[in-house]
Parts: sequence; structure tokens; C-alpha cells
Amino acid sequence: GAGVSQSPSNKVTEKGKDVELRCDPISGHTALYWYRQRLGQGLEFLIYFQGNSAPDKSGLPSDRFSAERTGESVSTLTIQRTQQEDSAVYLCASSLEAIRVLNTGELFFGEGSRLTVL
Amino acid sequence: DAKTTQPTSMDCAEGRAANLPCNHSTISGNEYVYWYRQIHSQGPQYIIHGLKNNETNEMASLIITEDRKSSTLILPHATLRDTAVYYCIVRVGGGNQAGTALIFGKGTTLSVSS
Repeated sequence: GAGVSQSPSNKVTEKGKDVELRCDPISGHTALYWYRQRLGQGLEFLIYFQGNSAPDKSGLPSDRFSAERTGESVSTLTIQRTQQEDSAVYLCASSLEAIRVLNTGELFFGEGSRLTVL
Repeated sequence: DAKTTQPTSMDCAEGRAANLPCNHSTISGNEYVYWYRQIHSQGPQYIIHGLKNNETNEMASLIITEDRKSSTLILPHATLRDTAVYYCIVRVGGGNQAGTALIFGKGTTLSVSS
């Protein structure tokens, strides 16, 4: 597609439920990142995928959070047993490759999935 | 990666230059300075980056001090659409650190008014 696409754009769920958030990166982009942004805060890095390499999961806040990506396509971020503190906008970004982000700054973000946990 | 310090908020009149400062006193020799902005309800957008020399593109100019301990992003003629949160990020460019992500702080909220 023309840009990074995320779904759903808004999700309201009850505490304790599981949620899945989807990210479709720009076609051909091998690097994919997930960030979380709580209200009024900066972006927190969650996880990063580069091609078929093992993902960098260093930013995941707990074992309730996990993400998958098949090849260089869609990624799914799963939050199990959601808590109210998980309420945030979850942003996905992609780039042709990770080194390109650092050499050119080119990191393309989607518009995010707003998660509200009641 | 070096830590950055930015003012929480700034105001600017439409048509005037907006000068957004960033302190990065612990920056090391191979770390670049990147600027992104985030307009309300959108994902961040890349603006500009640099290592030592001043840089200019169609969006902005980046002035880096000679000791590289601080930098200023300049929007030469701010418009209402430039109202956004501006993030200054310092990061090693390329090499074996390429795999780790850019870390965004809280940034500066720039409000442009008419």
C-alpha cells in the first residue's frame, strides 16, 4: 500500500481480555517497529523486526505482550489479559531496512491503534 | 545512546521563525542528531538529521554547535500546520547498532498561533 496501515484504529476492551493489533507495512519494507504512546507521553519502543532475523524484544513491558511477523509482511501485536495501564496508542513503523533509518531518518509511521482498557 | 533535553513547550507567531533547542551534552563522536515531529493524532514524521555540519532541506534547517553538545531546529516561516510535538533524538548512525530502534523522549510541543 501507499503507507503503513494499522487496524483497528480504535479498540475498547474490558480488563482481562486479549487484544490483537495489526500492522501492514509499506510493501518491500524489511524493518518493522512497534511503539506505544500513553496520553501526553513520548513514544516507548516495544519490539523491532528486521527481515528474517530474530526480533529485538527488549522493549516489551511484560510477558503479556508479544508480536509476530511472517517474513516481510504483516505484523500482529498481541496483549494478553489487558490491564488499564495498557491503554495507549500503539504505533507501527516501517523502513526499507534498519540501517536506512539511521542513514536517512526514513521511518514511516502508521496512524496508530488507540486501545482503551476499561 | 546520549540523552537529550528539550523544553516542554514553545510558542511561535505565524510567519516567524521557530527555533527549537536541544541539549545533548553527552553525545559521542559517531552519534547523529535526528528530528521528528508528531502532529496531533498522527504518527511521527521525519524532518532532518545531521552529524557535524549544519543541514537544510525543504522542511527545516538544523544547526549543530561546534562542540556538538546542542543543536537547534529552525522552521524559517512557521505556519499553523507546524503546530506539533518535535522530538530530538541522538543515535549512533549505522554499523552494528543499526538494528536497535530510535528512542523518542517527550519532545517540545510547539504551538503556532496567528
